[in-house]
Amino acid sequence: GAVVSQHPSWVICKSGTSVKIECRSLDFQATTMFWYRQFPKQSLMLMATSNEGSKATYEQGVEKDKFLINHASLTLSTLTVTSAHPEDSSFYICSAASTSGNPYNEQFFGPGTRLTVL
Amino acid sequence: GEDVEQSLFLSVREGDSSVINCTYTDSSSTYLYWYKQEPGAGLQLLTYIFSNMDMKQDQRLTVLLNKKDKHLSLRIADTQTGDSAIYFCAEIAQAGTALIFGKGTTLSVSS
Repeated sequence: GAVVSQHPSWVICKSGTSVKIECRSLDFQATTMFWYRQFPKQSLMLMATSNEGSKATYEQGVEKDKFLINHASLTLSTLTVTSAHPEDSSFYICSAASTSGNPYNEQFFGPGTRLTVL
Repeated sequence: GEDVEQSLFLSVREGDSSVINCTYTDSSSTYLYWYKQEPGAGLQLLTYIFSNMDMKQDQRLTVLLNKKDKHLSLRIADTQTGDSAIYFCAEIAQAGTALIFGKGTTLSVSS
């Protein structure tokens, strides 16, 4: 299957700093990328949907000024957590999908990024 | 909005069969999926089923779909300790939209 990478896999930062997480589709062009957040022992909660070249669509309750998403190319989307606070500590997972040649609507998931804010 | 429900825990002995159940509310779901997540890792797609199918078998995995009752199950035959993980069911209504996940079922396999 297709490969999606995330970088970094684990980041620790001080409260008040900003952190950028990259999500890359390595062997296919992702027309749509999704960002999820997962708290310990809980399900994945969709944060936002981003289509290449357009503004991300955020889910209700997700602050778009705090979680900046950029999907500048068909292989790269970034999530920037601005002015991070301890309550932002979580596991952030991206997924990527292509609308062409994807009969099963399959999304390919990255390995996740664990963010710890001190 | 759409909702997906799963039982939270399942404990089985090695060699037994495991059955993980899921119910969903969105009648327009086109595909339903089972994902596996090992500790600290991302999600691995195990299998999927199209909404006009009743059953799909893939080696040790059998997926049953009762569309009338909006019930999905995953059966793992001859469960191994390596199957211990969290299993998520998810559904999608149309291409380009996000997956709706259940809360996940933690499967614990004892030897």
